[in-house]
Amino acid sequence: SYVLTQPPSVSVAPGKTARITCGGNNIGSKTVHWYQQKPGQAPVLVIYYDTDRPSGIPERFSGSNSGNTATLTISRVEAGDEADYYCQVWDSNSDHPGVFGGGTKLTVL
Amino acid sequence: EVQLVESGGGLVKPGGSLRLSCAASGFTFSNAWMSWVRQAPGKGLEWVGRIKSKTDGGTTDYAAPVKGRFTISRDDSKNTLYLQMNSLKTEDTAVYYCTTFMTTVTTNYFDSWGQGTLVTVSS
Repeated sequence: SYVLTQPPSVSVAPGKTARITCGGNNIGSKTVHWYQQKPGQAPVLVIYYDTDRPSGIPERFSGSNSGNTATLTISRVEAGDEADYYCQVWDSNSDHPGVFGGGTKLTVL
Repeated sequence: EVQLVESGGGLVKPGGSLRLSCAASGFTFSNAWMSWVRQAPGKGLEWVGRIKSKTDGGTTDYAAPVKGRFTISRDDSKNTLYLQMNSLKTEDTAVYYCTTFMTTVTTNYFDSWGQGTLVTVSS
């Protein structure tokens, strides 16, 4: 089945830019979605279709996808952005099509 | 506003059964495809399965680890989604989330999420 690889952790100072990567074989040919999960809470969709933001998600959140890497970028990071972030694709050719990355813990220093 | 409220979680012995419910409001449930996603303690997210709307056939698909043991169903008259879990294993211990399931020709994703309900499988 398709595998998505994320770094376990990323640290960034407030006001700086955080980049969280999601690696997969030719992931640029797939569509990637991103979820934010704060401690003790349910996940929230923050990016869909590689680059789109649901209503209510700040413009500071953006996404890109090319080659073997998709990236979630968070500009002007705030303390409230500290959370786990998961990428996700749908692999229709698999018996386990709903694929999530292992998650990245974003720490705001 | 979309609201999804799960219930029915608890402690069950290995080999036992449990049925989870998800009460939906704030959208036209009968038109929606729905899904279950789970998260083992301290672990990442894992897709469990999904059900289409009845107008789209009402069929289900499941992840390999739960196929043949779990069944997703829906009662559109009650705006409620269900997850029947049989032959439970310790590795099924997780928080189970109900989600709306957005589908297109090229991809699918999980739009709105409930708060989750904890299932613990232990002797």
